[in-house]
Amino acid sequence: DAGVTQSPTHLIKTRGQQVTLRCSPKSGHDTVSWYQQALGQGPQFIFQYYEEEERQRGNFPDRFSGHQFPNYSSELNVNALLLGDSALYLCASSLRRLAGVTDTQYFGPGTRLTVL
Amino acid sequence: AQTVTQSQPEMSVQEAETVTLSCTYDTSESDYYLFWYKQPPSRQMILVIRQEAYKQQNATENRFSVNFQKAAKSFSLKISDSQLGDAAMYFCAYRSGGTSGSRLTFGEGTQLTVNP
Repeated sequence: DAGVTQSPTHLIKTRGQQVTLRCSPKSGHDTVSWYQQALGQGPQFIFQYYEEEERQRGNFPDRFSGHQFPNYSSELNVNALLLGDSALYLCASSLRRLAGVTDTQYFGPGTRLTVL
Repeated sequence: AQTVTQSQPEMSVQEAETVTLSCTYDTSESDYYLFWYKQPPSRQMILVIRQEAYKQQNATENRFSVNFQKAAKSFSLKISDSQLGDAAMYFCAYRSGGTSGSRLTFGEGTQLTVNP
């Protein structure tokens, strides 16, 4: 049973560039959440996708966008990269049991983004 | 908005001893879930234990147990018979149980060192 997978593992970009991170949920899960974890801090919620729509969003600018595909996998896109976007980006998957409520979230290994 | 506070940036314990990590949270909701996640140097976020707010009984998972004090809004993690593999960053997290959302709100983490 494959867990949550993310690609790439590491990524180096320069300011102003755009980046796409990818996530495949755990088998049987239908909801994907994205988190940003700056060095030495706890993860911060970016947004959550279910049924190919963004359902919740944290306090992140519109430069952060996402997508969910019919197979439940997801992408996180960040435009006009800033130095402050350097962080570990974590994807978590879960199963939506009731309207608006999802089960426990399981995390992938993360993508380390460095912006120079 | 909910907040989670971990007041111990670092803790250390001798192998085979017991250690308790503290977590407090602030919420006006009555239905919610609390979690402890472990993040070793590999940066993979691993679920340790989960507690439903409506359950009075404290959750237990092998050597890991919690002390959930709902009135005090306290949720501490006790690790018994500590092992070298327990060394990691530990995060306390909160999730609403209602339809308002299922995002996780994390604390800042406690770095646990296990001494041989």
